[in-house]
This record gives sequence, C-alpha cells and structure tokens, in this order.
Amino acid sequence: AQRVTQPEKLLSVFKGAPVELKCNYSYSGSPELFWYVQYSRQRLQLLLRHISRESIKGFTADLNKGETSFHLKKPFAQEEDSAMYYCALAKDSGYSTLTFGKGTMLLVSP
Amino acid sequence: GAGVSQSPSNKVTEKGKDVELRCDPISGHTALYWYRQRLGQGLEFLIYFQGNSAPDKSGLPSDRFSAERTGESVSTLTIQRTQQEDSAVYLCASSLTRGIENEQFFGPGTRLTVL
Repeated sequence: AQRVTQPEKLLSVFKGAPVELKCNYSYSGSPELFWYVQYSRQRLQLLLRHISRESIKGFTADLNKGETSFHLKKPFAQEEDSAMYYCALAKDSGYSTLTFGKGTMLLVSP
Repeated sequence: GAGVSQSPSNKVTEKGKDVELRCDPISGHTALYWYRQRLGQGLEFLIYFQGNSAPDKSGLPSDRFSAERTGESVSTLTIQRTQQEDSAVYLCASSLTRGIENEQFFGPGTRLTVL
C-alpha cells in the first residue's frame, strides 16, 4: 500500500528565512504528488502539483524518484505562509483518490 | 460560484446512535470524494463516486459506514451505531471529473464527536 510521510509536525522559521517542508513517499508504481495547504479558518486547498511543474506563491517542489521525496521549498518565507501543509499522492494520473501525509504546521514569525 | 458545502458543520452524538452527513458538490462536478481526518492524522480516503459508475468503497473502515449519491448531486455519508473512534472531521471534495488533472475542491468539513 502507498504511504506518505511528513516527518515534521511543526516547522518554525523567521520571516525571510528559507523553508523546506519534507515529504517522502512509498509506492511501487509511478505516483503523482501534490501539496495542499490549509490556512487558519479556511478550507483545504491545492497549492501545487508535480504534473504542472509550477511555482505558486513562491513555493516549488521537485519530485525525486530516487529518494522518493517531494519536498516543498520557498527561498524567503512570509508571515502569510503560516498554515498547515499536507503532502498527497495519487497512484497514477488516472487515479483520483489521494493518500495524505499527517501534515506539517509552518509558523513564520516576524 | 458556490463551493462545496457540507452539513452539519458540527455534530455531537452518543455512542450507538446513527448519524448522517451531507455534501453538496460544486454544480457540474461528476466526481465526489469523502475523506476522514482524525485528530493529529492525515486525511484518510473513504469513498469515491464518479458519475453513474459503481463507487469505489475501498476506504470504508467497516460495514457501519455507507454512502449514497443521487446522480451527480448531493451525497450522504451514514455511520451506523457510532463508536468513539468515529470522532473525526469528515471532509467532502468534488472535481470536474476523474483524473489528477482535475483539482479536488474541498468543503469545510463536518466535525463529528461521539460521546
């Protein structure tokens, strides 16, 4: 069965510092990876997905198949980035249901 | 337009009672998903509906859990004989159709507390 691991429950950084939220996965096939974000008192929403190879709000994520990782990075954190971040996996491009990690809370202090 | 809506937002029930949770997907979305999030855990997939196809029930944790969807509209998740371990936030999501290129839009969730 597939699994997504986010080793950090909480990541606390100062404004302007680089951020890396770790995500590792285990799955024998060729999965698709996503990052979802939940800001305080808001709904869970898609941040970015591997297939799009996009940068959203300054965040990027690279799929490393050798290390089975999909870490989320931002060079300069902003206070408004404070939120809960979830890494998620879909078994393949035609498969819709997602397997989520437990999430990492990012706190950016001024 | 309106997003995914869920009702009730909060539900407190006694152990052994049945509960019904409702999800209204975005109009025109053929795919609908139910997830569960227990405290401190990630979201767990429960069930997936795609149009008129047979639902994917592979995530339902026990036969106490069931869900229905009327066509491509409202879905209800029913939990019979609730147990304390059923306490969680139940999230519904919808997408235009199946496939990862179609973003899943989440509702606000229903927080279920079983006493």
